[in-house]
Amino acid sequence: NAGVTQTPKFRVLKTGQSMTLLCAQDMNHEYMYWYRQDPGMGLRLIHYSVGEGTTAKGEVPDGYNVSRLKKQNFLLGLESAAPSQTSVYFCASSASWGGNQPQHFGDGTRLSIL
Amino acid sequence: GENVEQHPSTLSVQEGDSAVIKCTYSDSASNYFPWYKQELGKGPQLIIDIRSNVGEKKDQRIAVTLNKTAKHFSLHITETQPEDSAVYFCAASQNYGGSQGNLIFGKGTKLSVKP
Repeated sequence: NAGVTQTPKFRVLKTGQSMTLLCAQDMNHEYMYWYRQDPGMGLRLIHYSVGEGTTAKGEVPDGYNVSRLKKQNFLLGLESAAPSQTSVYFCASSASWGGNQPQHFGDGTRLSIL
Repeated sequence: GENVEQHPSTLSVQEGDSAVIKCTYSDSASNYFPWYKQELGKGPQLIIDIRSNVGEKKDQRIAVTLNKTAKHFSLHITETQPEDSAVYFCAASQNYGGSQGNLIFGKGTKLSVKP
């Protein structure tokens, strides 16, 4: 059982380039989340999804877009990468409402924007 | 919105000693408080959680206490071992507004256990 899988694990981009981060979960979870982790800032929620075909904004959504076309996948897109988006990105999923159920995390994507 | 403060930011203990990490939260409606352990190069892993109808929960060497009146909760690790060295995050549920149901995380505590 793989749990939550993120691809790629590492990526270096130039300013202005675009890319998509993929998150896949095999636990049949309804809820999925994208966080970014910066030194001294903890985990901050970018976007989340409460089910297939739905997405919503989190705490720091600017510069990112997401899609949840299939229940098991949650994609995070950067249309025009900026150095401020250099960070470690984590995807998580939960069986139901994240406010009272454990969230399961992937091992992250380390993204550098030059 | 919900705000979670976590202290200390770094903690160093000798193997076998106890470690305590404390968090405070601002939203009195928060009702779910998980703790995560993050090892280098890995994602956060849930180690213990507590809901607001319980004051204390224990799992082997790990325990969490919750004081709803004071709005703070703590992680206690007894008989620490070198493999306990990691970054620990607390979190609290946000129960109002557009992001209802999401978790707000503290900024983390780096625990070092010296052999």
